[in-house]
Formats: sequence, C-alpha cells, structure tokens
Amino acid sequence: GAGVSQSPSNKVTEKGKDVELRCDPISGHTALYWYRQSLGQGLEFLIYFQGNSAPDKSGLPSDRFSAERTGGSVSTLTIQRTQQEDSAVYLCASSVLGGEQFFGPGTRLTVL
Amino acid sequence: KNQVEQSPQSLIILEGKNCTLQCNYTVSPFSNLRWYKQDTGRGPVSLTIMTFSENTKSNGRYTATLDADTKQSSLHITASQLSDSASYICVVTKRTGNTPLVFGKGTRLSVIA
Repeated sequence: GAGVSQSPSNKVTEKGKDVELRCDPISGHTALYWYRQSLGQGLEFLIYFQGNSAPDKSGLPSDRFSAERTGGSVSTLTIQRTQQEDSAVYLCASSVLGGEQFFGPGTRLTVL
Repeated sequence: KNQVEQSPQSLIILEGKNCTLQCNYTVSPFSNLRWYKQDTGRGPVSLTIMTFSENTKSNGRYTATLDADTKQSSLHITASQLSDSASYICVVTKRTGNTPLVFGKGTRLSVIA
C-alpha cells in the first residue's frame, strides 16, 4: 500500500506483559515518528528516527519503552512490563526530511 | 514553553451550519501551522498548511486563517456535513529541533442531522 501501516490494529494485554507494535512507513521516507494519544489528550511525542542518525528518544516516558528501526524502514515500539496507564492509541508517522508527516491508523493498546 | 491551545474542546452543530475552531500557540521559532482532521479510529490527515506569510488558505469547505502577530489560527468549516464529524488538531512546527511538532489536544466536532 501507499500509506503508513501499523499492526496490530488492536492489542489487549495483561498488566506486566511485554508488547511489540509495528510500523511500516511510506517507502522512501527517511523520518519516522512514534506518538501516543491517550483518551481526551493530544498527541504525545515518543521517539523520532531520521536516516542513520541516532534516534531522538526524548519523549519516551520511561525505560520500559524502547523502539528500533531496522534497515531504515520498519520500526518496532516495545513496551515492557505494561501498566494500565500505557493504554492508549500509538500512532506512527513518516515523512521525507522536513516534509509533511503522514500518519498510520494507529494501534489501540488496552492493558487490563 | 511551546504550547498549542485549542478551543472549544468539543462542539455539536446541525448539518448545514458553519463553525469556527480556534488555535492559539506560543511555539517559537515558528515555521508553519497545520490543521489535521482525525476520524475516529484513524490517523490524522492534513487539511491545510500555513506558513508565516500566509493569512488565509482554503481547501474546499475548509478555510484556515493565521495571524502570526497574535499567534492565532482558526479553521472555518462551511455548510457542514455529517462526514465532518471528527477531531480537528492544530499542529505547529518549530523551525529548529529534531522534534519540531507541537500538537494541540484537538476539538471534537459532531455534526448532527
């Protein structure tokens, strides 16, 4: 497809479990962003990848959160030992350098 | 502090009516401002982008305004349709920094018949 895709679309997990969320950016987009959107809140920046540069992790809320981007394309956001407050929609976006960000449909994470 | 404030938080209007959503920002240095539409269960989609020198920009029934002096923007929706029901998010881009986007919390618009 031509757009950003994310999987799974929905994830329900138990408190304390680890989860992995996947993002496939638009082909050719060197920049990739992860955001979190909690109910009634705005988008919260988590992490930013640009080409081969070291990622900007300044938005990660705790050391339970980590992300990788393999081969400059697909990215995985991992949340370890999930907590109920991690429940949110996790959005991925990609762009060319300095260009408009195109968002994926998001992964709705529910931690029971 | 770089902030984007949107009002109202939510809005209900009758189909066919017009409405205006507001966005005030304190982001600096300013690069551009976008309005996004986010349908339920979907990612945000850009409606308009405005740079410092632009005052008004239209996209169909959507018209955005920008006053860079007062750091205010508005999104006017004309002749609303049921499909306009969504969250509208104001996003300001900073000219510097690796994490240049500052998001508002959005206005939830419901258009009813």
